[in-house]
Amino acid sequence: SAVISQKPSRDICQRGTSLTIQCQVDSQVTMMFWYRQQPGQSLTLIATANQGSEATYESGFVIDKFPISRPNLTFSTLTVSNMSPEDSSIYLCSVDQYTDTQYFGPGTRLTVL
Amino acid sequence: KNEVEQSPQNLTAQEGEFITINCSYSVGISALHWLQQHPGGGIVSLFMLSSGKKKHGRLIATINIQEKHSSLHITASHPRDSAVYICAVNEGSNYKLTFGKGTLLTVNP
Repeated sequence: SAVISQKPSRDICQRGTSLTIQCQVDSQVTMMFWYRQQPGQSLTLIATANQGSEATYESGFVIDKFPISRPNLTFSTLTVSNMSPEDSSIYLCSVDQYTDTQYFGPGTRLTVL
Repeated sequence: KNEVEQSPQNLTAQEGEFITINCSYSVGISALHWLQQHPGGGIVSLFMLSSGKKKHGRLIATINIQEKHSSLHITASHPRDSAVYICAVNEGSNYKLTFGKGTLLTVNP
C-alpha cells in the first residue's frame, strides 16, 4: 500500500490569497489525483496529475484557479488561487496503484475568511 | 453518469450492535470501493470489490452485480468505528471514481 502525506493539514486564509498544498507519496506512482470535498458534499475530482505532462482538469475546474505541478513520481502540488469563502473545503490527494485501489492522503482542511 | 446512493445518511448505534450500510448505483461498474473518513478528513480505503464478498476483521463487504447493490457490515460495533463511510464506484477501465455522499455512523458506548 502507498503512504501519503499532505501539507498543510489545515489552514485559515484570507480572501484573495493563494495556498499551495503538497502531496508526498512513499513510492513511485503514475497517477495522482486531487479531490475537493465541500462541506456536507461528496468528493469531487478536480484533476489528474501525471508526471511529465499537464494535468487533466474535470469539468468546472480550470488551471488558472487550480494550478497543479507534478515534478516527479512521488510528489505533486495543488494551488488554490485567488481564494474566496466558497473554496473552503477539504482537499485530498490520492494515488492509484497496480491493484486499482486508490489510496488517499489525510486531507487539507481549508477555511477562507 | 452513475448515480451512487447510500442509506442511511445517518446511523446511531450502541456499542456491540451489528451495523449495515447500503449502497446502490445506476450503471454497471468494474469495481466498488468502501472508504472510511474520520473527523479530521483523512480517508482510508477499506475494500475494493468487483464480485462476491470480502472480510477484514469485523468488517464485511458484499456486492450484488445484478442488483447493482453493495452492503458494508460491521459486527460488534465499537465507538472507534464512528466515522463517515463512503461508497465509490469505477466504471469500465476508467480510473475515475464516482462517490456517494456518505453515511455518518456514530457508535455510543
